[in-house]
Amino acid sequence: GAGVSQSPSNKVTEKGKDVELRCDPISGHTALYWYRQRLGQGLEFLIYFQGNSAPDKSGLPSDRFSAERTGESVSTLTIQRTQQEDSAVYLCASSLVTGDGQPQHFGDGTRLSIL
Amino acid sequence: SQKIEQNSEALNIQEGKTATLTCNYTNYSPAYLQWYRQDPGRGPVFLLLIRENEKEKRKERLKVTFDTTLKQSLFHITASQPADSATYLCALGSTGGFKTIFGAGTRLFVKA
Repeated sequence: GAGVSQSPSNKVTEKGKDVELRCDPISGHTALYWYRQRLGQGLEFLIYFQGNSAPDKSGLPSDRFSAERTGESVSTLTIQRTQQEDSAVYLCASSLVTGDGQPQHFGDGTRLSIL
Repeated sequence: SQKIEQNSEALNIQEGKTATLTCNYTNYSPAYLQWYRQDPGRGPVFLLLIRENEKEKRKERLKVTFDTTLKQSLFHITASQPADSATYLCALGSTGGFKTIFGAGTRLFVKA
């Protein structure tokens, strides 16, 4: 497809389990972002990748969160030892370049529910 | 700290009227401001970009203004339609920076 693809669309897991979320960006987009959106709230920046540069992890809320991206392709966001407060929609976005107002193209997110 | 405020209360208007949504910000000097639309269960979709040296931008039924003195942007939808019902997010960014700061959004309901 032409858009950003995220999987799974929904994930329900027990507290303490690890989860892995996947994002396929638009081909050719060098920048990739992960956000968290809690119910009724705005987008909370988590991490940013730009080409082969070191990612900016300043938004990750704890060391239980990590993300990887190989080159300019797929990215995975991993949450270890999940807690109930991790329940949210996790959104991925990609853009052509960083800054200068380039629009971000979002996937439809992974809705994560921790029981 | 940087803060973006959008009306947390939903906006209800009648079809055909103009909807006006507000985005205020503090402790920030953005180089540009973007507006996105988000439907339930979907990711945000980019609508419009306006830069700090622009006062107004239009696209079809949409109009955005940007007042860097008031630190405010207004987003207008003219001749509103029920299909315009969604949440509208504003986002701010700086030149050369990668972080875009998003507001919490305002829910718009257009009644037929």
